[in-house]
Amino acid sequence: EAAVTQSPRNKVAVTGGKVTLSCNQTNNHNNMYWYRQDTGHGLRLIHYSYGAGSTEKGDIPDGYKASRPSQENFSLILELATPSQTSVYFCASGDACNQAPLFGEGTRLSVL
Amino acid sequence: SQWGEENLQALSIQEGEDVTMNCSYKTYTTVVHWYRQDSGRGPALIILIRSNEREKRSGRLRATLDTSSQSSSLSITAAQCEDTAVYFCATDAGFASALTFGSGTKVIVLP
Repeated sequence: EAAVTQSPRNKVAVTGGKVTLSCNQTNNHNNMYWYRQDTGHGLRLIHYSYGAGSTEKGDIPDGYKASRPSQENFSLILELATPSQTSVYFCASGDACNQAPLFGEGTRLSVL
Repeated sequence: SQWGEENLQALSIQEGEDVTMNCSYKTYTTVVHWYRQDSGRGPALIILIRSNEREKRSGRLRATLDTSSQSSSLSITAAQCEDTAVYFCATDAGFASALTFGSGTKVIVLP
């Protein structure tokens, strides 16, 4: 069954600390995405990837890095976390042949 | 921005009523996706309509697309309590099959 799995599901971090959010997909999709969702708003694209070794900037990349070491895994890295990065983060996977991206269940991040 | 700057809208309806929500977009797209998001969950695709389709139905869902006005609508017929969710429209971002999302409509179906 197609799946996108995110870890951790919840994370509390301190300002200035490093945070890594992980995502794994078993769909054999080429493309993967990281979005953030703030209360009362839609999802905004942070980074995306075309495949292993590829990372591209989305609409709001500042303060975030991404890593795609394999087809299955895509990480979002906050080198110096700030309170403004408190949000819910969603990973998704998809490809040109797929109907629509499949989303994970999200990671709730609080930066104190 | 692909979309207007509106915040999340909310609609409350009684069980059994019909509800329609609208989206408008600014840039060309070949497809409009409609997702629903349950509380604490990730978005899930419920219906997709392409630019060569004016209307698409799936069960109690009906999506329309008007490319001339760059707008789309989603209707739910005879809403049930389990239809309570946030509904998003999304368009093609133009790269890597990524999507650009609208701000969403929260639908609350009351018993």
